Amino acid sequence: KNEVEQSPQNLTAQEGEFITINCSYSVGISALHWLQQHPGGGIVSLFMLSSGKKKHGRLIATINIQEKHSSLHITASHPRDSAVYICAGQNYGGSQGNLIFGKGTKLSVKP
Amino acid sequence: DAMVIQNPRYQVTQFGKPVTLSCSQTLNHNVMYWYQQKSSQAPKLLFHYYDKDFNNEADTPDNFQSRRPNTSFCFLDIRSPGLGDAAMYLCATSAPGQPVYFGPGTRLTVL
Repeated sequence: KNEVEQSPQNLTAQEGEFITINCSYSVGISALHWLQQHPGGGIVSLFMLSSGKKKHGRLIATINIQEKHSSLHITASHPRDSAVYICAGQNYGGSQGNLIFGKGTKLSVKP
Repeated sequence: DAMVIQNPRYQVTQFGKPVTLSCSQTLNHNVMYWYQQKSSQAPKLLFHYYDKDFNNEADTPDNFQSRRPNTSFCFLDIRSPGLGDAAMYLCATSAPGQPVYFGPGTRLTVL
Protein backbone atom coordinates (compact mmCIF):
# COMPACT_ATOMS: atom_id res chain seq x y z
CA LYS A 1 0.00 0.00 0.00
CA ASN A 2 1.40 3.39 -0.99
CA GLU A 3 1.96 5.93 1.74
CA VAL A 4 0.08 8.51 -0.34
CA GLU A 5 -3.01 7.34 -2.20
CA GLN A 6 -4.96 9.35 -4.72
CA SER A 7 -8.37 8.83 -6.27
CA PRO A 8 -9.53 8.64 -8.91
CA GLN A 9 -6.59 7.62 -11.11
CA ASN A 10 -8.33 8.94 -14.21
CA LEU A 11 -11.08 11.52 -14.47
CA THR A 12 -12.95 12.84 -17.49
CA ALA A 13 -15.20 15.86 -17.12
CA GLN A 14 -17.17 18.23 -19.29
CA GLU A 15 -16.16 21.86 -19.40
CA GLY A 16 -17.78 23.75 -16.55
CA GLU A 17 -18.09 20.80 -14.18
CA PHE A 18 -16.95 20.90 -10.57
CA ILE A 19 -14.08 18.48 -10.02
CA THR A 20 -12.77 16.85 -6.86
CA ILE A 21 -9.58 14.84 -6.50
CA ASN A 22 -8.90 13.08 -3.23
CA CYS A 23 -5.69 12.24 -1.42
CA SER A 24 -5.17 10.10 1.67
CA TYR A 25 -1.89 9.54 3.44
CA SER A 26 -0.76 7.08 6.05
CA VAL A 27 2.46 8.72 7.23
CA GLY A 28 3.17 11.71 9.39
CA ILE A 29 3.76 14.77 7.28
CA SER A 30 4.65 18.39 7.85
CA ALA A 31 2.96 19.63 4.69
CA LEU A 32 0.85 18.36 1.84
CA HIS A 33 1.48 19.55 -1.70
CA TRP A 34 -0.74 19.60 -4.73
CA LEU A 35 1.20 19.64 -7.98
CA GLN A 36 0.18 19.93 -11.62
CA GLN A 37 1.96 18.42 -14.59
CA HIS A 38 0.85 18.98 -18.18
CA PRO A 39 1.68 16.27 -20.74
CA GLY A 40 5.39 16.24 -21.45
CA GLY A 41 5.90 19.20 -19.17
CA GLY A 42 7.48 20.06 -15.86
CA ILE A 43 5.79 20.17 -12.50
CA VAL A 44 4.12 23.26 -11.07
CA SER A 45 3.34 23.64 -7.40
CA LEU A 46 -0.32 24.59 -6.88
CA PHE A 47 -0.66 24.51 -3.11
CA MET A 48 1.22 23.68 0.04
CA LEU A 49 -1.04 22.95 3.02
CA SER A 50 -0.40 22.31 6.67
CA SER A 51 -3.98 22.84 7.79
CA GLY A 52 -7.33 24.19 6.71
CA LYS A 53 -8.06 25.45 3.24
CA LYS A 54 -6.42 27.50 0.51
CA LYS A 55 -7.93 29.06 -2.60
CA HIS A 56 -6.27 30.33 -5.75
CA GLY A 57 -8.53 31.36 -8.59
CA ARG A 58 -10.72 28.39 -9.47
CA LEU A 59 -8.68 25.98 -7.40
CA ILE A 60 -9.38 25.12 -3.78
CA ALA A 61 -7.39 22.75 -1.60
CA THR A 62 -8.41 21.46 1.80
CA ILE A 63 -6.75 19.24 4.34
CA ASN A 64 -8.05 17.38 7.39
CA ILE A 65 -5.07 16.54 9.56
CA GLN A 66 -7.00 14.22 11.90
CA GLU A 67 -8.35 12.16 9.01
CA LYS A 68 -5.12 12.40 7.00
CA HIS A 69 -7.05 13.44 3.96
CA SER A 70 -6.84 16.26 1.45
CA SER A 71 -8.95 17.30 -1.51
CA LEU A 72 -8.30 19.44 -4.55
CA HIS A 73 -11.34 21.07 -6.10
CA ILE A 74 -11.58 22.78 -9.46
CA THR A 75 -14.60 24.97 -10.08
CA ALA A 76 -15.88 25.78 -13.57
CA SER A 77 -13.39 23.38 -15.14
CA HIS A 78 -11.83 24.24 -18.48
CA PRO A 79 -9.99 22.17 -21.09
CA ARG A 80 -6.75 23.92 -20.12
CA ASP A 81 -7.09 22.26 -16.69
CA SER A 82 -6.37 18.92 -18.39
CA ALA A 83 -3.22 17.64 -16.71
CA VAL A 84 -1.97 15.17 -14.15
CA TYR A 85 -2.57 16.33 -10.59
CA ILE A 86 -0.21 14.91 -8.00
CA CYS A 87 -0.56 14.89 -4.26
CA ALA A 88 2.69 14.71 -2.30
CA GLY A 89 3.50 14.62 1.39
CA GLN A 90 6.54 16.30 2.84
CA ASN A 91 8.10 15.63 6.20
CA TYR A 92 10.61 18.28 7.19
CA GLY A 93 12.17 16.04 9.80
CA GLY A 94 12.72 13.01 7.58
CA SER A 95 14.91 12.95 4.51
CA GLN A 96 15.27 16.73 4.66
CA GLY A 97 11.85 17.27 3.26
CA ASN A 98 11.78 14.77 0.43
CA LEU A 99 8.36 14.45 -1.18
CA ILE A 100 6.33 11.25 -1.00
CA PHE A 101 4.31 11.24 -4.20
CA GLY A 102 0.91 9.81 -4.94
CA LYS A 103 0.50 8.15 -8.33
CA GLY A 104 -1.34 11.12 -9.77
CA THR A 105 -4.80 11.73 -11.17
CA LYS A 106 -5.04 12.24 -14.90
CA LEU A 107 -7.74 14.82 -15.61
CA SER A 108 -9.23 15.38 -19.02
CA VAL A 109 -11.72 18.20 -19.46
CA LYS A 110 -13.72 18.01 -22.67
CA PRO A 111 -15.07 21.16 -24.35
CA ASP B 1 10.49 35.26 -13.47
CA ALA B 2 11.85 31.75 -13.55
CA MET B 3 13.01 30.67 -10.11
CA VAL B 4 14.34 27.21 -10.90
CA ILE B 5 16.06 26.98 -14.26
CA GLN B 6 17.21 23.82 -15.94
CA ASN B 7 19.49 23.56 -18.94
CA PRO B 8 19.23 22.22 -21.44
CA ARG B 9 15.49 21.56 -21.78
CA TYR B 10 16.19 18.73 -24.21
CA GLN B 11 19.36 16.66 -24.32
CA VAL B 12 20.22 13.94 -26.81
CA THR B 13 23.23 11.78 -26.11
CA GLN B 14 24.69 8.56 -27.37
CA PHE B 15 24.83 5.34 -25.45
CA GLY B 16 27.79 5.57 -23.06
CA LYS B 17 28.60 9.23 -23.75
CA PRO B 18 28.75 11.28 -20.53
CA VAL B 19 26.22 14.03 -20.12
CA THR B 20 25.75 16.85 -17.59
CA LEU B 21 22.45 18.49 -16.74
CA SER B 22 22.37 21.76 -14.85
CA CYS B 23 20.00 23.42 -12.45
CA SER B 24 20.09 26.91 -10.97
CA GLN B 25 17.81 28.66 -8.52
CA THR B 26 17.19 32.25 -7.46
CA LEU B 27 15.33 31.35 -4.26
CA ASN B 28 18.35 30.85 -2.03
CA HIS B 29 16.82 27.56 -0.87
CA ASN B 30 19.17 25.33 1.04
CA VAL B 31 17.75 22.06 -0.28
CA MET B 32 18.07 20.98 -3.90
CA TYR B 33 16.78 17.70 -5.33
CA TRP B 34 17.26 15.71 -8.49
CA TYR B 35 14.38 13.50 -9.58
CA GLN B 36 14.09 11.06 -12.47
CA GLN B 37 10.65 10.69 -14.01
CA LYS B 38 9.79 8.07 -16.58
CA SER B 39 6.64 8.10 -18.63
CA SER B 40 3.41 7.87 -16.60
CA GLN B 41 5.32 7.36 -13.37
CA ALA B 42 5.80 9.47 -10.28
CA PRO B 43 9.15 11.24 -9.96
CA LYS B 44 11.84 9.15 -8.27
CA LEU B 45 14.34 10.87 -6.01
CA LEU B 46 17.95 10.29 -7.06
CA PHE B 47 19.69 12.45 -4.46
CA HIS B 48 19.49 15.75 -2.70
CA TYR B 49 21.66 18.35 -1.03
CA TYR B 50 20.95 20.01 2.25
CA ASP B 51 23.35 22.92 1.94
CA LYS B 52 26.58 21.12 1.04
CA ASP B 53 25.57 17.82 2.60
CA PHE B 54 24.99 15.26 -0.11
CA ASN B 55 22.36 12.55 0.39
CA ASN B 56 22.27 9.68 -2.06
CA GLU B 57 19.22 7.44 -2.25
CA ALA B 58 20.13 3.80 -1.67
CA ASP B 59 18.92 2.63 -5.07
CA THR B 60 20.46 5.40 -7.17
CA PRO B 61 22.92 3.78 -9.59
CA ASP B 62 26.60 4.73 -9.32
CA ASN B 63 26.31 5.96 -12.90
CA PHE B 64 24.62 9.06 -11.50
CA GLN B 65 26.69 11.68 -9.73
CA SER B 66 25.97 15.19 -8.57
CA ARG B 67 27.83 18.38 -7.74
CA ARG B 68 26.72 21.51 -5.94
CA PRO B 69 29.47 24.14 -6.20
CA ASN B 70 27.38 26.83 -4.49
CA THR B 71 23.85 27.51 -3.18
CA SER B 72 22.50 28.47 -6.58
CA PHE B 73 23.78 25.69 -8.81
CA CYS B 74 23.50 21.93 -8.87
CA PHE B 75 24.60 19.51 -11.58
CA LEU B 76 23.61 15.97 -12.48
CA ASP B 77 26.31 13.94 -14.21
CA ILE B 78 25.44 10.70 -15.95
CA ARG B 79 28.76 8.99 -16.56
CA SER B 80 27.72 6.33 -19.04
CA PRO B 81 24.10 6.75 -20.09
CA GLY B 82 22.20 3.63 -21.00
CA LEU B 83 18.95 3.31 -22.88
CA GLY B 84 17.16 2.88 -19.56
CA ASP B 85 18.31 6.31 -18.43
CA ALA B 86 16.14 8.08 -20.98
CA ALA B 87 13.70 10.08 -18.88
CA MET B 88 12.67 13.52 -17.71
CA TYR B 89 15.09 14.84 -15.07
CA LEU B 90 13.55 17.29 -12.65
CA CYS B 91 15.39 19.63 -10.33
CA ALA B 92 13.54 21.01 -7.32
CA THR B 93 14.34 23.26 -4.39
CA SER B 94 12.82 23.80 -0.99
CA ALA B 95 13.32 25.19 2.48
CA PRO B 96 11.42 24.35 5.66
CA GLY B 97 7.98 25.88 5.55
CA GLN B 98 8.31 26.75 1.88
CA PRO B 99 6.62 25.14 -1.12
CA VAL B 100 8.76 22.89 -3.26
CA TYR B 101 9.63 24.61 -6.51
CA PHE B 102 10.29 22.50 -9.57
CA GLY B 103 12.25 23.40 -12.64
CA PRO B 104 10.78 22.73 -16.10
CA GLY B 105 12.82 19.56 -16.47
CA THR B 106 15.36 18.24 -18.95
CA ARG B 107 14.18 15.51 -21.25
CA LEU B 108 17.05 13.12 -21.94
CA THR B 109 17.09 10.92 -25.02
CA VAL B 110 19.73 8.19 -25.32
CA LEU B 111 20.44 6.88 -28.81
